[in-house]
Amino acid sequence: GAVVSQHPSWVICKSGTSVKIECRSLDFQATTMFWYRQFPKQSLMLMATSNEGSKATYEQGVEKDKFLINHASLTLSTLTVTSAHPEDSSFYICSAWGHQYNEQFFGPGTRLTVL
Amino acid sequence: RKEVEQDPGPFNVPEGATVAFNCTYSNSASQSFFWYRQDCRKEPKLLMSVYSSGNEDGRFTAQLNRASQYISLLIRDSKLSDSATYLCVVNEGGGSNYKLTFGKGTLLTVNP
Repeated sequence: GAVVSQHPSWVICKSGTSVKIECRSLDFQATTMFWYRQFPKQSLMLMATSNEGSKATYEQGVEKDKFLINHASLTLSTLTVTSAHPEDSSFYICSAWGHQYNEQFFGPGTRLTVL
Repeated sequence: RKEVEQDPGPFNVPEGATVAFNCTYSNSASQSFFWYRQDCRKEPKLLMSVYSSGNEDGRFTAQLNRASQYISLLIRDSKLSDSATYLCVVNEGGGSNYKLTFGKGTLLTVNP
């Protein structure tokens, strides 16, 4: 199957700082990338869907000005958590979907801890 | 509200046992259905798709009943390596509108 990477795998930051997470499809072109968040013992919750070259579509309750998504190429999407607070601490997972597959491939996730 | 509900678990079974997971979904327009497994602190990985006719992959059998909006997963002859959280997942879109909704998952622990 296809490979999706995320960077960093974990990050600890101070409250008020911004954190950028990268998601890359390594061996295929991802026309659509998805960003999820998972709190402990909870399900993955879709935050936003991004299509290459266009603005992301955010799910209800997700602040687009706080979670900035950029999908500038077919192999890279970034999520920036701006002015992070402790309640933003979570496991952030991206996935990528390309026309040649009938499956979303998930990145390994980024564990964010905001102190 | 569109939801996917699963058995809350956790399930603790001995090696060799048969275990069944159940799932219901609320959106009757859902397009496709999956079971994923997620190991602790890892990303989810596709276990199998679920078809109306039912499908089997080795020790795993999945069933879908669209009329009652119910999905199941049966694991036979469970192994220690089957210990994981099993996620029921529903695709509410299609094509470029691919959109997955995840259940909370059911934790399975297979004991020696």
